[in-house]
Amino acid sequence: DSGVTQTPKHLITATGQRVTLRCSPRSGDLSVYWYQQSLDQGLQFLIQYYNGEERAKGNILERFSAQQFPDLHSELNLSSLELGDSALYFCASSVVSGVGGFNTQYFGPGTRLTVL
Amino acid sequence: QKEVEQDPGPLSVPEGAIVSLNCTYSNSAFQYFMWYRQYSRKGPELLMYTYSSGNKEDGRFTAQVDKSSKYISLFIRDSQPSDSATYLCAMSASYGKLTFGQGTILTVHP
Repeated sequence: DSGVTQTPKHLITATGQRVTLRCSPRSGDLSVYWYQQSLDQGLQFLIQYYNGEERAKGNILERFSAQQFPDLHSELNLSSLELGDSALYFCASSVVSGVGGFNTQYFGPGTRLTVL
Repeated sequence: QKEVEQDPGPLSVPEGAIVSLNCTYSNSAFQYFMWYRQYSRKGPELLMYTYSSGNKEDGRFTAQVDKSSKYISLFIRDSQPSDSATYLCAMSASYGKLTFGQGTILTVHP
């Protein structure tokens, strides 16, 4: 158990809908990262937050947004869902921002999103 | 072309075999090189990391980085059935965003 929790574990929804995925980082970790894992694209970085502020952005679609709250939990919002958004969404956390040194990213168990 | 290339396998070996997993990359800015292990229906967990070129050993696992060739490897000695998982290489320029390989599916059979 990495100490990172994600809810829900599974989510089934229809095209065009909007969903929210939630992540609670390990105690004491200030950075939260979101990744998407699909069969064809592999594991891809979406976005990073550090202590409430956006720190880095990857190939995140405009239909997707995220935020980190004062209690450090984070939410990933996916809207106007398409079939191709079906994937595993992982949250990871680390102690600091990572700039200037190495910090282990601890991954949560993931949320499996199925868009029908 | 992807920044990080990894042969997805699958790779099947007998128990006790030496396993070699590899990745190549194109981004010269990568400085941190990691290997993650992912069991079915679980999140990835960090196995080893290396900064810049060189070797690192941890028990049965050895990670090698050759920046001149843009090539990294993970060796598993005396492989066990419990090593059966997907192995993902990951890289970072200034640690934060990780760029992953596709992952190699490894099965170690008794």
